[in-house]
Amino acid sequence: DAKTTQPPSMDCAEGRAANLPCNHSTISGNEYVYWYRQIHSQGPQYIIHGLKNNETNEMASLIITEDRKSSTLILPHATLRDTAVYYCIVRVRSGGSNYKLTFGKGTLLTVNP
Amino acid sequence: GAVVSQHPSRVICKSGTSVKIECRSLDFQATTMFWYRQFPKQSLMLMATSNEGSKATYEQGVEKDKFLINHASLTLSTLTVTSAHPEDSSFYICSARVARFETKNTEAFFGQGTRLTVV
Repeated sequence: DAKTTQPPSMDCAEGRAANLPCNHSTISGNEYVYWYRQIHSQGPQYIIHGLKNNETNEMASLIITEDRKSSTLILPHATLRDTAVYYCIVRVRSGGSNYKLTFGKGTLLTVNP
Repeated sequence: GAVVSQHPSRVICKSGTSVKIECRSLDFQATTMFWYRQFPKQSLMLMATSNEGSKATYEQGVEKDKFLINHASLTLSTLTVTSAHPEDSSFYICSARVARFETKNTEAFFGQGTRLTVV
């Protein structure tokens, strides 16, 4: 699976949009971009995923560049409860018994009041 | 939907004893379950992948005789830490993948984790 690069930490003011970048310059054509987050001492929570089109759900928006070498996760109105480590992962969506998610170090997002 | 439940959430055991952690998919069938370990201030490290009814596949460096995984049904996988040592103290997290014929907006769901402390 392609390697991803994320900044180790970011700060955001409560109520503002949080934009979390991820570089995945070696992504293959059949690899999806997934975002998960982990609040302290909890299991990871799925946020969103996409292939090449921008995606939006009730939690966030995912913007993928046209060359697919980078993406940005957008939390439109960050709250204190969004403070967490955010992981960007790229992998093929199918894979049968070989499916697995490999976590990097992620970005610690701290939302400040 | 798509809830994964881990039990216990926290456990303290003595060195040399064994500890069993359960991972259940509550509202879906999981053909594949994954076990991760996370040390403080580090990322999740995949330990093993288990498919229902077959032997688990362990990642390099993970002792299969120490970390016993059983995936006897489509809704339950267990991880047993045998002859636990203090260095096995960690946060253990399971993840379950939905069966391929179910349509979901994601494939993998995570449990809430188990904090193991070996004293």
